[in-house]
Amino acid sequence: EVQLVESGGGLVKPGGSLGLSCAASGFTFSSYTMHWVRQAPGKGLEWVSSISSGSSYIYYTDSVKGRFTISRDNAKNSLYLQMNILRAEDTAVYYCAREGVATAGNSYYFDYWGQGTLVTVSS
Amino acid sequence: SYELTQAPSVSVSPGQTASITCSGDKLGDKYACWYQQKSGQSPVLVIYQDTKRPSGIPERFSGSNSGNTATLTISGTQAVDEADYYCQAWDIRTARVVFGGGTKLTVL
Repeated sequence: EVQLVESGGGLVKPGGSLGLSCAASGFTFSSYTMHWVRQAPGKGLEWVSSISSGSSYIYYTDSVKGRFTISRDNAKNSLYLQMNILRAEDTAVYYCAREGVATAGNSYYFDYWGQGTLVTVSS
Repeated sequence: SYELTQAPSVSVSPGQTASITCSGDKLGDKYACWYQQKSGQSPVLVIYQDTKRPSGIPERFSGSNSGNTATLTISGTQAVDEADYYCQAWDIRTARVVFGGGTKLTVL
């Protein structure tokens, strides 16, 4: 059974830092591109960042570029998101998601999601 | 940047067909997928690659994508289908994932 379990959320002051982790199990983690997606309270889904299976390709949404760093450790079946210079608008539930295997070019979707971890940025 | 637009809410009577649309420039040239998110839960993939259903998703869920609009259709809508639905596509120009704003489906 595929499982994604996020951890590391909490309350942090503006300008502070926080590191999130996502522990993966039930599949060959090293074969999949992984993503972070967030959802502000009462709002919609927002894609944050992605990292390819071998960490060669990394992308960020513009609002976090230069502040957040995505990484992974395939030996530990883990995905990470280091968040620095946090702002109030970063307050959200952060989900770890697995990118599904595309059977057609340019088909990108998330077939498994974690339960999410809440990050609250407030003084 | 590429944008996907969804109506904020849709209402449907039990047993009827619900259609939830997602619009974007030349969306039909991309692949769209759909997620269902029930209150307090994580999103669940219900349609990918425009029309494909993951295993375990009921047959009453179907998808289409043409022109500027992707559509999620729920036939014989049930009370358990009440949820927020999000469309998603990939913007090849920026290599970014894009979500629609979500549609709240009410079954009444």
